[in-house]
Amino acid sequence: AQSVAQPEDQVNVAEGNPLTVKCTYSVSGNPYLFWYVQYPNRGLQFLLKYITGDNLVKGSYGFEAEFNKSQTSFHLKKPSALVSDSALYFCALQTGANNLFFGTGTRLTVIP
Amino acid sequence: KAGVTQTPRYLIKTRGQQVTLSCSPISGHRSVSWYQQTPGQGLQFLFEYFSETQRNKGNFPGRFSGRQFSNSRSEMNVSTLELGDSALYLCASYPGTGRFNEQFFGPGTRLTVL
Repeated sequence: AQSVAQPEDQVNVAEGNPLTVKCTYSVSGNPYLFWYVQYPNRGLQFLLKYITGDNLVKGSYGFEAEFNKSQTSFHLKKPSALVSDSALYFCALQTGANNLFFGTGTRLTVIP
Repeated sequence: KAGVTQTPRYLIKTRGQQVTLSCSPISGHRSVSWYQQTPGQGLQFLFEYFSETQRNKGNFPGRFSGRQFSNSRSEMNVSTLELGDSALYLCASYPGTGRFNEQFFGPGTRLTVL
């Protein structure tokens, strides 16, 4: 069985500081991992994905994520947070069947 | 290109009624997936349609059904509504071929069951 965990419901960070949103996963076989962001009253928007290759993945809006196989983690990072980054972030695991298993989400608040 | 559109955006129904939600994918996308988002259960996969055929199905009761038309538009139906069906229903599209592609989500339909 596969699962995704986002251990923090809420992350607060000051504007200009680096941010990290944590994600761990469990899957038998290769992990295919995604990050999506949801703004209020909007659908989810794709940020980045890890399929294979480099452990550091770069995505949209200056976000990146580090895949760590030994720790089964895929943490989302950004060097300098913006107030406009405040949103709900979802980590997801995709199976070979093309459906996504989502984590419970982490609400990021960037404080001016 | 226009994005994924969902209609209606908001719905209020009462228990026992049925409801149909509509999703128009991005032009050229042949796969449409449906997800249910609730505060308690989070985002859960309902089903995926590709070229008018259900390709994958999540773990939801038979009251939840869907279909896809030849123009790739998809509808989702929920019969005999229960209070617990109150949720944001999201659909997502992608081209449908290849693997591990990003999915493009619509804004959702918020269903309230009274």
